[in-house]
Amino acid sequence: DADVTQTPRNRITKTGKRIMLECSQTKGHDRMYWYRQDPGLGLRLIYYSFDVKDINKGEISDGYSVSRQAQAKFSLSLESAIPNQTALYFCATRGTGGRTEAFFGQGTRLTVV
Amino acid sequence: AQTVTQSQPEMSVQEAETVTLSCTYDTSESDYYLFWYKQPPSRQMILVIRQEAYKQQNATENRFSVNFQKAAKSFSLKISDSQLGDAAMYFCAYRPWAGTASKLTFGTGTRLQVTL
Repeated sequence: DADVTQTPRNRITKTGKRIMLECSQTKGHDRMYWYRQDPGLGLRLIYYSFDVKDINKGEISDGYSVSRQAQAKFSLSLESAIPNQTALYFCATRGTGGRTEAFFGQGTRLTVV
Repeated sequence: AQTVTQSQPEMSVQEAETVTLSCTYDTSESDYYLFWYKQPPSRQMILVIRQEAYKQQNATENRFSVNFQKAAKSFSLKISDSQLGDAAMYFCAYRPWAGTASKLTFGTGTRLQVTL
């Protein structure tokens, strides 16, 4: 099984719909992140969390919300999806300690029509 | 704020040849990490190589090596003996040593094609 699992892998939704992207990890890491990837823009940070009581906005949090249901689960919600939220979304985790690397899920391709 | 710049949107290399991907970054920190990630068509983000800023020695991982120039804030990736499986999007990324939530900041990516 993958260390970081994202569901769904692909999703098409309509403008105005609420949608949730889910992420779960088996690494036991405290730190979890949501990134968005767009062509020509790289990956940009949406939200991050250091534990279930610590949620922080990233550089592009408008239009998104998150929930850290447990140490292993971190969900990203689009309350009212719009077409410019069409993108590839990644969840990532990292343990404490400077040398620890980030582990990424396989991404969710979201299309808003 | 830290920024990472990859000025080559696309690169091409022949199989068995060597290619260098460029990356520059801007930071006021003295301690940080730099990374190269590979993203093949499967979309998986794969860590290729990591460099700690306090280390003067350039990191190497098999056919992959970096040229880290701290004063110039430059961090290029050299791929030797290129293989068809090296074809992918490559992202340069920066992470501070501590603080600032230790977030990764990514460049815009370089798409590498490998030709026969």
